[in-house]
Amino acid sequence: ILNVEQSPQSLHVQEGDSTNFTCSFPSSNFYALHWYRWETAKSPEALFVMTLNGDEKKKGRISATLNTKEGYSYLYIKGSQPEDSATYLCAPLRRALTFGSGTRLQVQP
Amino acid sequence: EAGVVQSPRYKIIEKKQPVAFWCNPISGHNTLYWYLQNLGQGPELLIRYENEEAVDDSQLPKDRFSAERLKGVDSTLKIQPAELGDSAVYLCASSHRTGIYNEQFFGPGTRLTVL
Repeated sequence: ILNVEQSPQSLHVQEGDSTNFTCSFPSSNFYALHWYRWETAKSPEALFVMTLNGDEKKKGRISATLNTKEGYSYLYIKGSQPEDSATYLCAPLRRALTFGSGTRLQVQP
Repeated sequence: EAGVVQSPRYKIIEKKQPVAFWCNPISGHNTLYWYLQNLGQGPELLIRYENEEAVDDSQLPKDRFSAERLKGVDSTLKIQPAELGDSAVYLCASSHRTGIYNEQFFGPGTRLTVL
């Protein structure tokens, strides 16, 4: 079983704050890392698919970095907005995607 | 383009009853996944289909769970009989094909409560 850890489990920030989360995974036999965003009562939505060590991806105010050698990825949100409130899931890919438990972000207006 | 459709969205049943969930993937997506998500945890893969063939069902509890994907399009996941511990969200996802770059598109899930 692949051990995927995400921290923190939950986070409350004020509108305008910047924040970041961590995803840790075993670095051996790595293929790719997926990040998903899951708003309550909606479908999980893909944010990024990352494969290369040192890879950095950006979508609007959200960006992510990847370190495959040490087995971690960071997700950054710059200037958090209430609509960023969601659970952010990471999932490394080997035979199949293995999801972490997620980081639940709450942005207060 | 329509997304992944799942029904029902919510289901409440008594233990030992059967229950079925339905999924319609995005048109043209050959790969279909069923996931189980328990409260406070990430989704866990139950079964993956390539067209109509179940290529990975190692995590499906086959004593009570079954799935089918007739004609390689829609899929149904069944639990018979349901147990209290089956209360969870059941997610369906699809992708154009398997591969490291192929993101999965998820449906909204079916929230099952077993009383």
